[in-house]
Amino acid sequence: EPEVTQTPSHQVTQMGQEVILRCVPISNHLYFYWYRQILGQKVEFLVSFYNNEISEKSEIFDDQFSVERPDGSNFTLKIRSTKLEDSAMYFCASRGANTGELFFGEGSRLTVL
Amino acid sequence: SQQGEEDPQALSIQEGENATMNCSYKTSINNLQWYRQNSGRGLVHLILIRSNEREKHSGRLRVTLDTSKKSSSLLITASRAADTASYFCATDEDDYKLSFGAGTTVTVRA
Repeated sequence: EPEVTQTPSHQVTQMGQEVILRCVPISNHLYFYWYRQILGQKVEFLVSFYNNEISEKSEIFDDQFSVERPDGSNFTLKIRSTKLEDSAMYFCASRGANTGELFFGEGSRLTVL
Repeated sequence: SQQGEEDPQALSIQEGENATMNCSYKTSINNLQWYRQNSGRGLVHLILIRSNEREKHSGRLRVTLDTSKKSSSLLITASRAADTASYFCATDEDDYKLSFGAGTTVTVRA
């Protein structure tokens, strides 16, 4: 069964460092998403991406965040200068046309020290 | 905010019993979805109910939607230990954003 894959599964970084989280969505999907979940809290929407541009973003997705689909298969989330409060599980998801179902990856756990 | 809010926050039941959780939301939706999350894992889609549907079944899952009350319920029948997880409702108001509630943590005791 096709799946969304995310790397790395866990990254530890120092505050102020740049982090890139990578995702390979399901190949024929058209809509791509990043969500985050701080430990024990709700799943929060960060950004959606369609037709090679951001469709919608939340207040969390400030200038420190960016997304890119550099080569037609990978979908990356970059945090330019990490803060302690960026520590969370980051989930990538993708969706095909004509369906509302999101397929999620297993997540990348980011720990900022 | 469009986010759904689940009730109760936590639920503990015996294996074989039914588990019911509710979700309320605030404005118009295209559809409402339920997802499951095992501890430390990604979210798995369970079921989608469209705004013009009132009830939907999938295996041991039954979902209802009442758009007049802006609420939905998820019923898991004949629960199993493997059903232990967090369950989230999510509302879809457009193509570009799915908003999740805080979830209900279900523990099924053997």
